[in-house]
Amino acid sequence: EAGVAQSPRYKIIEKRQSVAFWCNPISGHATLYWYQQILGQGPKLLIQFQNNGVVDDSQLPKDRFSAERLKGVDSTLKIQPAKLEDSAVYLCASSLGGLGTQYFGPGTRLLVL
Amino acid sequence: QQQVKQSPQSLIVQKGGISIINCAYENTAFDYFPWYQQFPGKGPALLIAIRPDVSEKKEGRFTISFNKSAKQFSLHIMDSQPGDSATYFCAASFTGGGNKLTFGTGTQLKVEL
Repeated sequence: EAGVAQSPRYKIIEKRQSVAFWCNPISGHATLYWYQQILGQGPKLLIQFQNNGVVDDSQLPKDRFSAERLKGVDSTLKIQPAKLEDSAVYLCASSLGGLGTQYFGPGTRLLVL
Repeated sequence: QQQVKQSPQSLIVQKGGISIINCAYENTAFDYFPWYQQFPGKGPALLIAIRPDVSEKKEGRFTISFNKSAKQFSLHIMDSQPGDSATYFCAASFTGGGNKLTFGTGTQLKVEL
């Protein structure tokens, strides 16, 4: 079974630029999560989708971050404009259902200069 | 109240020794307590998990001990091996919270020969 795929793996941008990350969850997984992991900290949930609907986006900085999950499969997370403090690893995870084990992708490491 | 506090921040153990990592939580609604293992450049992977109806769960060399009254749980790695060198995160979630994981800050484990 293929795992969670993410791209790109690394991204370096200047502050105030925009950036987008892509995630392809495990086939059949209805629930998809985006986490932000700042160096030296545990992952923090940004947004959770159930199929193509948002379940929880309470910790998503909506003035600059947006996410969508078209057709309930792939998802994109966008930052516009980026700030220095957005430098982190962005992890995508998926689970079979709302209570299932979360499987994480390798993450996208973002550096904002 | 959503915090999960993890200690120690880093740990060095000799090969064959026991590694112990501790976590404490405040939210009594938490009912699922997983431990994740993360290698550099990889996403976290579920190692072992426990629900509060049992006080201990063992899988191979890994054991979770759970103390509901103290609101604490710990990971014990028996016969620690160099391949166990990684960062370990405890986490917690509750059924009514949509499986949203709250992570600890992580413990960097190094197992020396």
